[in-house]
Amino acid sequence: KAGVTQTPRYLIKTRGQQVTLSCSPISGHRSVSWYQQTPGQGLQFLFEYFSETQRNKGNFPGRFSGRQFSNSRSEMNVSTLELGDSALYLCASRTDWGRIGELFFGEGSRLTVL
Amino acid sequence: SQQGEEDPQALSIQEGENATMNCSYKTSINNLQWYRQNSGRGLVHLILIRSNEREKHSGRLRVTLDTSKKSSSLLITASRAADTASYFCAEESTGANNLFFGTGTRLTVIP
Repeated sequence: KAGVTQTPRYLIKTRGQQVTLSCSPISGHRSVSWYQQTPGQGLQFLFEYFSETQRNKGNFPGRFSGRQFSNSRSEMNVSTLELGDSALYLCASRTDWGRIGELFFGEGSRLTVL
Repeated sequence: SQQGEEDPQALSIQEGENATMNCSYKTSINNLQWYRQNSGRGLVHLILIRSNEREKHSGRLRVTLDTSKKSSSLLITASRAADTASYFCAEESTGANNLFFGTGTRLTVIP
């Protein structure tokens, strides 16, 4: 069974640009969560999608958005990039709604903003 | 912030020794989970302990949970160089469909 796949693995952008990151969950997993990881703030929850609906959202500005498609694949978008958006963005999937259980993480997309 | 804290922030031990990491959390939980992360990689789930459990074992891992103190500990016995990684606790709060991760402990096992 293939794991969670995130693309691209690495990318470099400049301030003011926008970026889209993609996540393909494990087959059969309908829930996808996104986390931002930085040395200073640790792992911060961005949002979770289940069956194409955003169920939870963390404390991030509106520049951070996401969506989920009918095949459970998810994308997140960051507009008007700032230097502080440089981070490892992690996607995680799990089987279904309800008591959360184990999360399966992808390898992450490392974003550098210059 | 709902983020829990882990102690110590960094730990360096010799191969064969035991490593203990502690986690304090802030909310009422359904369960608490431990994850491992190799440098720059994704997180890997290690073990989950439910709020009504006090201790759980998995191979060389032993996890304890004290809900009265809102704390948990992870013990890795007979450590190996390959155990070098960052370890995170994550709390699933009652009523929240999300995991909140601690700040992590960076473990270095010296061969």
